[in-house]
Amino acid sequence: KAGVTQTPRYLIKTRGQQVTLSCSPISGHRSVSWYQQTPGQGLQFLFEYFSETQRNKGNFPGRFSGRQFSNSRSEMNVSTLELGDSALYLCASSFTSGGVSSYNEQFFGPGTRLTVL
Amino acid sequence: QKEVEQNSGPLSVPEGAIASLNCTYSDRVSQSFFWYRQYSGKSPELIMSIYSNGDKEDGRFTAQLNKASQYVSLLIRDSQPSDSATYLCAVIGGYQKVTFGTGTKLQVIP
Repeated sequence: KAGVTQTPRYLIKTRGQQVTLSCSPISGHRSVSWYQQTPGQGLQFLFEYFSETQRNKGNFPGRFSGRQFSNSRSEMNVSTLELGDSALYLCASSFTSGGVSSYNEQFFGPGTRLTVL
Repeated sequence: QKEVEQNSGPLSVPEGAIASLNCTYSDRVSQSFFWYRQYSGKSPELIMSIYSNGDKEDGRFTAQLNKASQYVSLLIRDSQPSDSATYLCAVIGGYQKVTFGTGTKLQVIP
């Protein structure tokens, strides 16, 4: 079974630009979560989508947004990029996100390394 | 107080020893707990999940959960240099929110 894929793997942008990152979950997984990872802050939760609906959201400004399509693929968008947005953006998928079971186990993609100049 | 706390390390252990990694959490309604391993420059890889009090063993790894004390730990037996990585604790708390600790860096010395 193929794992979680993310595109692009690397991205260089300048301040003020916007960027769209893509994530394709493991086949059959309906929950997709996005995280930002930086050396100083660790892994920070951005948002989670399940069946095209945003179910959870972290403490990030409105410049960060996302969506999920009917095939469970997800995109996240960052508008008006700032230098502090430079980070590794990770997508993780799970079968579901409710209840207490192994169906909640999240599997990560390789990430998109975003550099803002 | 952070929601999920881990000692950042580095934790250094000799090859063949037992490495003990600890994690405490603040949300009492948390029900699902995970350990991830992350090598430098790579994404996190799921090692173990645990949902009920007690021990859960998988090969050289044992996860321990104590909900009353709000801690979860990971033991790595017969540590190998290839185990050198950062270990992340993740907790699913109220409203199904996933929170990660900042990770403990483990160094296994040959």
